[in-house]
Amino acid sequence: SQQGEEDPQALSIQEGENATMNCSYKTSINNLQWYRQNSGRGLVHLILIRSNEREKHSGRLRVTLDTSKKSSSLLITASRAADTASYFCATDDGNNRLAFGKGNQVVVIP
Amino acid sequence: DAGVIQSPRHEVTEMGQEVTLRCKPISGHDYLFWYRQTMMRGLELLIYFNNNVPIDDSGMPEDRFSAKMPNASFSTLKIQPSEPRDSAVYFCASGTGFDTIYFGEGSWLTVV
Repeated sequence: SQQGEEDPQALSIQEGENATMNCSYKTSINNLQWYRQNSGRGLVHLILIRSNEREKHSGRLRVTLDTSKKSSSLLITASRAADTASYFCATDDGNNRLAFGKGNQVVVIP
Repeated sequence: DAGVIQSPRHEVTEMGQEVTLRCKPISGHDYLFWYRQTMMRGLELLIYFNNNVPIDDSGMPEDRFSAKMPNASFSTLKIQPSEPRDSAVYFCASGTGFDTIYFGEGSWLTVV
């Protein structure tokens, strides 16, 4: 079943702007992951944040996790045209299932 | 590392035909996952293996679907007989656990 739900579903921004997308989930989790999918390609792992972490950075990516609200956000700073893709959150609830959300399409306009 | 390798990349078949999708996981990964992606349902886990043993096949839609992993370097997902509603992108992924999984490029299946 799909647990993660990304919001908003589609985002269009100018190159250089920041892109923020959110993910909500329903059950307690061990960790939350973000993946990117370029058109016609497989998903690529971006970053993982564990349930005892509140914020994590990786290059231009910043992920936050609020377990009390059961939500996470992914921020991409100084976006580039190459960041155009769909972004998925995935939750590991400890039951040996990694559940993916429906995805959030980001278009970066050069 | 070549990554997860899937074949075929694209397949168009007629309803009722048997479809076999193949996957070679990354060497050393002991988990292998089969996912299906559609616009309507998103990314669904069909089945996963650990050390070549099927652990959870609760996502397999029905008896028409079967998956095998005869050894650590090969897995198949078979649909027999295929139906138009099986049209989707089928992804194979592998990993050493659930923390990070590596996806193949997918097999794009169209059943007409």
